[in-house]
Amino acid sequence: GQQLNQSPQSMFIQEGEDVSMNCTSSSIFNTWLWYKQEPGEGPVLLIALYKAGELTSNGRLTAQFGITRKDSFLNISASIPSDVGIYFCAGLNSNTGNQFYFGTGTSLTVIP
Amino acid sequence: GAGVSQSPRYKVAKRGQDVALRCDPISGHVSLFWYQQALGQGPEFLTYFQNEAQLDKSGLPSDRFFAERPEGSVSTLKIQRTQQEDSAVYLCASSRESEAFFGQGTRLTVV
Repeated sequence: GQQLNQSPQSMFIQEGEDVSMNCTSSSIFNTWLWYKQEPGEGPVLLIALYKAGELTSNGRLTAQFGITRKDSFLNISASIPSDVGIYFCAGLNSNTGNQFYFGTGTSLTVIP
Repeated sequence: GAGVSQSPRYKVAKRGQDVALRCDPISGHVSLFWYQQALGQGPEFLTYFQNEAQLDKSGLPSDRFFAERPEGSVSTLKIQRTQQEDSAVYLCASSRESEAFFGQGTRLTVV
């Protein structure tokens, strides 16, 4: 199945640093979602985006729906140890189907 | 319920055994999805239900995989004659509009 290109694949950062990751697709989406997954758990929804250019925040997390509708970005400010996990983007085009396509994930490690 | 519930959390099956994985979606959610997640990978789509209707099963990897949602609520993913390559985490999600909420998954190990 289709998977979105997500980068970077992994990040090792110091506590307090800011984090940026992005997701790109060859297809247009009308919804972008960002999830965090911890070991042994299912993905937890962090942010949902519905409009090109939209910028949405959830605490220290900010995500943007790219203008081309083929990409999205997630930023985490002032990282803390509990930010550790794998972050996935997911895209949906409800005009062409109902399945959410997932990125390959960004593994984040925060060093205290 | 408050969230998507999946059972069992862990399943070990001998190669050739049949398994059944259960998903209880969030109450009132019309859409239900099954995904397969291999180690170190993102979730890959298997199948989608709207109420009791299976509208898309294009992601099911073989005819050994079968999913049902007979009353439009609980869903079961059945895998017949399991093979080692079926080992993965199977995730269920239910959706309200354009947001999907996941269960904790069932980790299937075929030995």
